[in-house]
Amino acid sequence: GEDVEQSLFLSVREGDSSVINCTYTDSSSTYLYWYKQEPGAGLQLLTYIFSNMDMKQDQRLTVLLNKKDKHLSLRIADTQTGDSAIYFCAESMGSSNTGKLIFGQGTTLQVKP
Amino acid sequence: DAGVTQSPTHLIKTRGQQVTLRCSPKSGHDTVSWYQQALGQGPQFIFQYYEEEERQRGNFPDRFSGHQFPNYSSELNVNALLLGDSALYLCASSFDTGGSKLFFGSGTQLSVL
Repeated sequence: GEDVEQSLFLSVREGDSSVINCTYTDSSSTYLYWYKQEPGAGLQLLTYIFSNMDMKQDQRLTVLLNKKDKHLSLRIADTQTGDSAIYFCAESMGSSNTGKLIFGQGTTLQVKP
Repeated sequence: DAGVTQSPTHLIKTRGQQVTLRCSPKSGHDTVSWYQQALGQGPQFIFQYYEEEERQRGNFPDRFSGHQFPNYSSELNVNALLLGDSALYLCASSFDTGGSKLFFGSGTQLSVL
């Protein structure tokens, strides 16, 4: 079945690293994504990783992919109060570009000063 | 360069009414996908339009229909509104040459009373 699961809440102190975890089910997913949603706003694409990669780094963001365990993580280095938001993991369904993403329920990141 | 734009931003309807939501894709994009995001949940795929045709559909009833125009903009129509249709409706656009980077608009918040 189609399912993406995330923990619901994470609280960190400003300056610490945050790690948000996600598990997915479709082994044929081509891309996996991390989106950020601030209150009252749409989704902002943070980063994505192609399924044949293990790691991708983009400034303060590091994505790790364990395809064997179907586990994806997002690490945010030097977390700032502006990083407080809901983070969604998503997988693309199948091997073709159809625009159908399956999202997790989101992880609320709270950054304490 | 305008991103994905949606209108209206907020809408209040009563049960049984019909609603039309509008979306203009990001410049250079030719594919539009629609998602429904209930409160506290991740977005759920409704359908995708490419070349003015519905290419793929999620698990939504026929009350949900759409259209894509020659300029790539799109409409989402919902008939016979139910209380459970209250949600944030998100439009996402992409360029259909492979690679599934979806860019989302800020959404239309629909309240059904």
